[in-house]
Amino acid sequence: KQEVTQIPAALSVPEGENLVLNCSFTDSAIYNLQWFRQDPGKGLTSLLLIQSSQREQTSGRLNASLDKSSGRSTLYIAASQPGDSATYLCAVSGSARQLTFGSGTQLTVLP
Amino acid sequence: SAVISQKPSRDICQRGTSLTIQCQVDSQVTMMFWYRQQPGQSLTLIATANQGSEATYESGFVIDKFPISRPNLTFSTLTVSNMSPEDSSIYLCSVEGQQAGVKEAFFGQGTRLTVV
Repeated sequence: KQEVTQIPAALSVPEGENLVLNCSFTDSAIYNLQWFRQDPGKGLTSLLLIQSSQREQTSGRLNASLDKSSGRSTLYIAASQPGDSATYLCAVSGSARQLTFGSGTQLTVLP
Repeated sequence: SAVISQKPSRDICQRGTSLTIQCQVDSQVTMMFWYRQQPGQSLTLIATANQGSEATYESGFVIDKFPISRPNLTFSTLTVSNMSPEDSSIYLCSVEGQQAGVKEAFFGQGTRLTVV
């Protein structure tokens, strides 16, 4: 059974810092990996998707990497802003396309 | 991409009653997924709903408690039956759509359920 772990559980940084969120998974037979953002009480916004054959994806200040063999992904956020404050969720997709989620990293960026 | 509309967005219900959540997608999709997010927790898959067949439930979830309908390729409902305060959660509908030729998961905005 796939298990996804995210570290750290919570992170508080001053505005402008670069930061890294970590995600690990136990079964490397994944279809893809997605990073989502969730604001309090809201649904999920997809940030980046990395297919199993890819190593990284970039969107603006966000960069996500994938090392399938070691079961790891990182989300790098450059020049963090208070508007980046949210919970960041990592999820892996299996052959049946359902997602297994990590427990999330709650990010607070202080002005 | 896929745009998903979920109704209601939130509700407060009495214990022992049932609530049906609707999920409408703007395009035809084969599979629809229902997730639950309990307070302070991550998302857990409840079931996968394919049109024309019975939903497939994950361990710990049963049809009597969470009956699902999938009458066509753009619509599904999840009912939370005989509710108790432990059912207070956000319930999310998800589908697999295509963005720039790549298949990825899209989510509705969720239904925030409080059982009193």
